[in-house]
Amino acid sequence: AQKVTQAQTEISVVEKEDVTLDCVYETRDTTYYLFWYKQPPSGELVFLIRRNSFDEQNEISGRYSWNFQKSTSSFNFTITASQVVDSAVYFCALSLEGETSGSRLTFGEGTQLTVNP
Amino acid sequence: DAGVTQSPTHLIKTRGQQVTLRCSPKSGHDTVSWYQQALGQGPQFIFQYYEEEERQRGNFPDRFSGHQFPNYSSELNVNALLLGDSALYLCASSMEGDNSPLHFGNGTRLTVT
Repeated sequence: AQKVTQAQTEISVVEKEDVTLDCVYETRDTTYYLFWYKQPPSGELVFLIRRNSFDEQNEISGRYSWNFQKSTSSFNFTITASQVVDSAVYFCALSLEGETSGSRLTFGEGTQLTVNP
Repeated sequence: DAGVTQSPTHLIKTRGQQVTLRCSPKSGHDTVSWYQQALGQGPQFIFQYYEEEERQRGNFPDRFSGHQFPNYSSELNVNALLLGDSALYLCASSMEGDNSPLHFGNGTRLTVT
């Protein structure tokens, strides 16, 4: 069975601070996909990134960056120079290859990020 | 280009009743998945529909059933509602064979009293 752990339940920072959201996963499969989603108060899950298990390159997209380390089964997410609009619940998720378009996601419990002005 | 739409937005039911939630996938998508998200928790996979059949199912009792129509829209039915069924129900769509990530709707907030 797969498991995703987000140990940080809530994080509160002041605007312009950098913040890292931790994600640790468990799976016996060698091929899998990792995701980060953002959930604003409206409820919709907004896709941020997908990474397959064979691609350990770190990725940067604007103020967002992701650090994937198979050795520690971690897929951490950093927001640089945080803004109030980044306030949301962030979910890390995992799916296995063959689970059709990654539609069967195993989610972590989420991290509530609050960015204060 | 309409995204995933769900109805109703909110719903209040009494324990023991039955409920039907509806989902229209994003244009061009043919696969619909349903998730249950209890308050303060991550979403949990209920099931997925493709070609009008249930293709995958999570760890949910038979009280949870679904349907997919020829136009790819879907319904989630829950019978004999329990207080513990109170949650945000999310629908997500994708296109079979396409490796793009899921598109989620805003969800239906179900409260069981």
